[in-house]
Amino acid sequence: NAGVTQTPKFRILKIGQSMTLQCTQDMNHNYMYWYRQDPGMGLKLIYYSVGAGITDKGEVPNGYNVSRSTTEDFPLRLELAAPSQTSVYFCASSYVASSYNEQFFGPGTRLTVL
Amino acid sequence: AQSVTQLGSHVSVSEGALVLLRCNYSSSVPPYLFWYVQYPNQGLQLLLKYTSAATLVKGINGFEAEFKKSETSFHLTKPSAHMSDAAEYFCAVSDGNQFYFGTGTSLTVIP
Repeated sequence: NAGVTQTPKFRILKIGQSMTLQCTQDMNHNYMYWYRQDPGMGLKLIYYSVGAGITDKGEVPNGYNVSRSTTEDFPLRLELAAPSQTSVYFCASSYVASSYNEQFFGPGTRLTVL
Repeated sequence: AQSVTQLGSHVSVSEGALVLLRCNYSSSVPPYLFWYVQYPNQGLQLLLKYTSAATLVKGINGFEAEFKKSETSFHLTKPSAHMSDAAEYFCAVSDGNQFYFGTGTSLTVIP
């Protein structure tokens, strides 16, 4: 199993550009998550999904969109990039069974908006 | 809402010394608690998790954590630090849908 994979690893955007961060998991997990990590701030939840076709906002959803058409994929869309979206983005997944199932993380995408 | 607080954003220990990383939680229901480790330029990896089966939880790489309900704490310890333990450590609590992460503690190991 590859686990959770993310592409690209690095990206530089200009203000106002758009892009999609890709996330795929091969563990048949129902739950998937997008976080951003800023220095000293820990991880902030952007969006999450409890299954195909179902998504919900997290703590910091503004400026982002998501979709979940399959169990495996959970792309994150930035429509109008802003410098405040410079961050490291992590995708994660977990099995739905109960609260004590841990999340599995991808390697991250480092995004810079100039 | 649930939350965790990690005391000390940076901790330095000498190689071979005790590692103690602090985590306190706030939860209105029995919590599910986790410790994750993040090495430079990598994603988070699970160290250990508390699921109410036992208050002392053993994890990977010699780490363990003790759940203390009276103190609402879940501190992470390791008897003897190794250079390879240098990393960022995150405490987290789950409510079944979401995970709530602390702000992290950066561990430096001094040779």
